[in-house]
Amino acid sequence: SQKIEQNSEALNIQEGKTATLTCNYTNYSPAYLQWYRQDPGRGPVFLLLIRENEKEKRKERLKVTFDTTLKQSLFHITASQPADSATYLCALGPGGSARQLTFGSGTQLTVLP
Amino acid sequence: NAGVMQNPRHLVRRRGQEARLRCSPMKGHSHVYWYRQLPEEGLKFMVYLQKENIIDESGMPKERFSAEFPKEGPSILRIQQVVRGDSAAYFCASSPRSDPREQYFGPGTRLTVT
Repeated sequence: SQKIEQNSEALNIQEGKTATLTCNYTNYSPAYLQWYRQDPGRGPVFLLLIRENEKEKRKERLKVTFDTTLKQSLFHITASQPADSATYLCALGPGGSARQLTFGSGTQLTVLP
Repeated sequence: NAGVMQNPRHLVRRRGQEARLRCSPMKGHSHVYWYRQLPEEGLKFMVYLQKENIIDESGMPKERFSAEFPKEGPSILRIQQVVRGDSAAYFCASSPRSDPREQYFGPGTRLTVT
């Protein structure tokens, strides 16, 4: 069955450093992959989408890579700030007309001042 | 530009009652999705709708759950005869015609069944 694994432990980093979050998947061939941010008690907030034929995508301090051979995506936040502390979710999207996203369980990131 | 709106934000129901959760998509969005997030678990897809059509309900439990997105008004997720295991956060998302893959989520409805 499809399986998505994100960093299993909560991730703590120092302010100003680069945070790197990992999303690995098996038994799935996604057409695209998305990253979301979720704060406690709130809905996920869309951050970035990367397609299967794209290797890397950037948006401000965020960078996402997508390696379909390794079945892995890396999500980087550069110059991290305490306000970046949240849970980050990886979601895989199917091809064709299907639209259901398959989510990982998330990685809780804490940026320490 | 208002985001996806859901109401109520919190809903308490006794076992056996019905729960109705409402979702108004972002302006200009014609695709609506419902997801459920159980405690300590990830988001699970339930159903995908367009106006007056259920496109994919592969994630919906076969019994007690139904969803609609009428021509006018919000999308409704209905849970009949709720049980304790239905307690969860229910999120609605919508996406634009321009790129249906980008899903924008509402704040969620937290359902508690007592």
